[in-house]
Amino acid sequence: GAVVSQHPSRVICKSGTSVKIECRSLDFQATTMFWYRQFPKQSLMLMATSNEGSKATYEQGVEKDKFLINHASLTLSTLTVTSAHPEDSSFYICSAYDRGDEQFFGPGTRLTVL
Amino acid sequence: SQKIEQNSEALNIQEGKTATLTCNYTNYSPAYLQWYRQDPGRGPVFLLLIRENEKEKRKERLKVTFDTTLKQSLFHITASQPADSATYLCALAGGTSYGKLTFGQGTILTVHP
Repeated sequence: GAVVSQHPSRVICKSGTSVKIECRSLDFQATTMFWYRQFPKQSLMLMATSNEGSKATYEQGVEKDKFLINHASLTLSTLTVTSAHPEDSSFYICSAYDRGDEQFFGPGTRLTVL
Repeated sequence: SQKIEQNSEALNIQEGKTATLTCNYTNYSPAYLQWYRQDPGRGPVFLLLIRENEKEKRKERLKVTFDTTLKQSLFHITASQPADSATYLCALAGGTSYGKLTFGQGTILTVHP
């Protein structure tokens, strides 16, 4: 199956700093990627849909100025958590479609904000 | 509002038995339903997809059923093994939000040797 990678896998930062997370489709091109957030013992919650060459579409309640998404190429989408605070600590996961209806998920990025 | 419920937070079974997990939904008309496996600290891994016009799908030891009248999907793992222990998530997609998935809260399956 298709492979999606994320970098970094873990990041610890101080409150107020910005953190960038990369999501790459390694062996296919993805015009659309999705960003999810997962808090401990909870399910995945969709944050936004990232579209190559255009603005991202954010889900209700997700601040677009807080979570900046850039989908500059068909294989790379980035999520930047700006001015991160402890409540932003979570597991961030991206996904993409190759062909068909199956979504391929990245391994996730564990963000801890001190 | 749309709601997806997986019947239990945790399920414990003995090795060799069949595990049955349930996913119920309300206020939703999905085009298809998917099941994923998630291990701790990892992203979900796709297992099976079933469409609204399909009743049953099988893949090796896995079987999924989909009843749009009951608004329910059942996920079965036959001849379960300790390696099957993980969290299993159901997810719905469809309507005008094709491609976007809404996930249930997951069921933690533990298979005891």
